[in-house]
Amino acid sequence: GESVGLHLPTLSVQEGDNSIINCAYSNSASDYFIWYKQESGKGPQFIIDIRSNMDKRQGQRVTVLLNKTVKHLSLQIAATQPGDSAVYFCAENNGSNFGNEKLTFGTGTRLTIIP
Amino acid sequence: EAQVTQNPRYLITVTGKKLTVTCSQNMNHEYMSWYRQDPGLGLRQIYYSMNVEVTDKGDVPEGYKVSRKEKRNFPLILESPSPNQTSLYFCASSLSPGVMDQPQHFGDGTRLSIL
Repeated sequence: GESVGLHLPTLSVQEGDNSIINCAYSNSASDYFIWYKQESGKGPQFIIDIRSNMDKRQGQRVTVLLNKTVKHLSLQIAATQPGDSAVYFCAENNGSNFGNEKLTFGTGTRLTIIP
Repeated sequence: EAQVTQNPRYLITVTGKKLTVTCSQNMNHEYMSWYRQDPGLGLRQIYYSMNVEVTDKGDVPEGYKVSRKEKRNFPLILESPSPNQTSLYFCASSLSPGVMDQPQHFGDGTRLSIL
């Protein structure tokens, strides 16, 4: 999984399968987390967010899981499609503020969907 | 259509020649922010603004200036660009930091090359 400062990891998944992208965060005071998707040549696009008082949150085909004990965040994408191929970033707010005016981003994971 | 617009999208220039990257949003967002994206380092925040005439430093503000005279515009100014500012830059805006499902919307990026 990704973490700040590490080389960009990659993940290849067969179309139709589920994928799980992991993110380790370092600041136990962080209380807000976001997942973004970035396609080639475009800016990051919001996928889903979660607060530290939640363990799980679901969206359309995506689920974010938060494990505060081990400071781990994951993004599950169900029934992957070719359009899911992109770089995925997690971000945390470092607990320094109420919301997300200062975010720290991970380095990203490149997800490739194999047709 | 709700969007964040950056200009220019691409720029090659020389050391020391002042440049401005414009950012405009049409969503009446209070919060705006600038990031740079470098390989292996992810997105790093340069400056952000909570509202008109309110700006604050992010994690990597050195060599940059910003202004927020109007709600919709948040230009990034490089007074004396240097080669280490060669990067991909993103502007983002949001309605209000910390509100769930009201994340930052990103522009499509400006690729700057400083020779």
